[in-house]
Amino acid sequence: EDQVTQSPEALRLQEGESSSLNCSYTVSGLRGLFWYRQDPGKGPEFLFTLYSAGEEKEKERLKATLTKKESFLHITAPKPEDSATYLCAVQGVSGSARQLTFGSGTQLTVLP
Amino acid sequence: NAGVTQTPKFQVLKTGQSMTLQCAQDMNHNSMYWYRQDPGMGLRLIYYSASEGTTDKGEVPNGYNVSRLNKREFSLRLESAAPSQTSVYFCASSVGLAANTGELFFGEGSRLTVL
Repeated sequence: EDQVTQSPEALRLQEGESSSLNCSYTVSGLRGLFWYRQDPGKGPEFLFTLYSAGEEKEKERLKATLTKKESFLHITAPKPEDSATYLCAVQGVSGSARQLTFGSGTQLTVLP
Repeated sequence: NAGVTQTPKFQVLKTGQSMTLQCAQDMNHNSMYWYRQDPGMGLRLIYYSASEGTTDKGEVPNGYNVSRLNKREFSLRLESAAPSQTSVYFCASSVGLAANTGELFFGEGSRLTVL
């Protein structure tokens, strides 16, 4: 069974204070790892897909990296508008092609 | 650009009542999904439809039924609501099956409370 654990559950940063969010996963074989952003009262919004260890993707102040056991979402010089819950999901080769397994998320608050 | 539209946004039911959550997408996507989101837990797949005319169970299908009415619309029905079904429900769509790219497009959610 695929499993995803995200840490920390919540993170408060000052504007400009860089940090990283962690997504640890257990799968029989990774087909893909996905990051989403969710604003309060809204549905998740797709950010990145990572397929293999060593891969990196960037979007504005966000950079996602992947190893064989975890992924990091690095936030450089965050702004208050980066405040959101960040969700990680995986799909393993032995799992159903229809299903992504989601973590419970990291709630990020960036203070001005 | 509407994307994925869910109705209603809020609903309060009594135990045993029935209701249908409606979902429509205007992106010409083939696959559609219903998820539930509960505090401290990840999104869990209830049912999905890989393409028009097909539906299949996800991780937590008990107590729910679905209908893929056409390519645009995918509804979720609770026949006899229970307090354990209190949750936020999200409809999502994708061009193909989610595993191919992981890129799902979500609606804004329907917040259901069962008393």
